[in-house]
This record gives sequence, C-alpha cells and structure tokens, in this order.
Amino acid sequence: KAGVTQTPRYLIKTRGQQVTLSCSPISGHRSVSWYQQTPGQGLQFLFEYFSETQRNKGNFPGRFSGRQFSNSRSEMNVSTLELGDSALYLCASSLATNPSYNEQFFGPGTRLTVL
Amino acid sequence: DAKTTQPPSMDCAEGRAANLPCNHSTISGNEYVYWYRQIHSQGPQYIIHGLKNNETNEMASLIITEDRKSSTLILPHATLRDTAVYYCIVNVNYGQNFVFGPGTRLSVLP
Repeated sequence: KAGVTQTPRYLIKTRGQQVTLSCSPISGHRSVSWYQQTPGQGLQFLFEYFSETQRNKGNFPGRFSGRQFSNSRSEMNVSTLELGDSALYLCASSLATNPSYNEQFFGPGTRLTVL
Repeated sequence: DAKTTQPPSMDCAEGRAANLPCNHSTISGNEYVYWYRQIHSQGPQYIIHGLKNNETNEMASLIITEDRKSSTLILPHATLRDTAVYYCIVNVNYGQNFVFGPGTRLSVLP
C-alpha cells in the first residue's frame, strides 16, 4: 500500500505570495492532518480534516487554510507569505474509525522557503 | 503545551537496549500514549501506542506504569539507524491534533 505523498517536496516563494501544498493520504484513510515544523517552534498542529470537514484547528492565523476533497486528498494554502512561514509542512493521514488502531502516518513533507 | 516531559538527549551503545522515559502525570483516563520518531528531515514515523497495558510490536515495547503517569519505550537492540528524535505524545483516540514536545534525541553509538 502506498504511503502518504506530498507535493511539491521543495518550494521557494517570496514574501507576499501565496502557496498551495497538496497531500494524498493512504488509500482508505479519511482523516488528514497538517503540521508545521520549524527549528524554533518544533512540530505544531495546523488543522485536521475528516470527510471534507475541518474537525480540529490549531492556533495559527487565518492566512493558513485548508480543504479536503471527496477522495480524501487535501490541500493547504498559505496566503501573504511571511519569512517566518519558512518551514517543513507535514501531512499525516489516519483511519480515524477504530478506537484501538488510529495512529497517524506522516508524509515526507514539503520544505517551504520564503525569501 | 505538550503534556509530556522527556529528557532532551540520550546515548545508547549499538546492540544494547535503549530505554526512553516519558512523564505524563496529567494524563486523562481516555488518553493514549503514542511514540513516534523522526530521522533528520523526514516525516515522523509511528512506533507504538497504548492505553494502559504494555504493548510490543516488531519495532519496540511500551511499558506504561500502573498509575499511567509515566511510560518507557524500549528498543531492544539499538542500531545506528535508530538514531533519531523520539516523541512521546498523549492524546485521546480520534483526536488527530497531536501536541509534540521537543522529544528526546537518541544517539546510538558504535
């Protein structure tokens, strides 16, 4: 079974631009979560989507948004990029249906650099 | 804030068992203990999780104390490829908003 895939793997943008990152979950997984990882703040939860609805949201400004499609694929968007948005953006998928078997599987991440 | 505390770093000799501790004194009755690891610049990798019983899989063993306030991840025969940052997370199941702390940087030494 294929793992979580994220595209693109690397991205360079300039301040003020916007960016869209894509995540394809493991087949059959309905939950997709997004995380931001920076050297200073570590791994931080952005939001989670389940069956096309945002179910959980972290403490990030409204410039960060996401969506999920009917095939469970998800995108996240960052508008008006700032230098501090440079980070590794990780996507994770899970079944989210069985209380005893609900671990998240992470993709390789998208490395975003804002100049 | 993370609900767990872990030592910032540990060393282990190759071939020996690595025992990584985690304190989670405020854990709730419905929260699971998860362990993940992250090898440099890769996505975190799931290792194991449990509620109150000890768990074992092909990668590791998880020992949870009876009061559930702490746990230990055991890598029975550490190899150089086990060098990574290990994260202990407590979370309710169905809750996909993991709160990661700084983790423990494990260095396996030859």
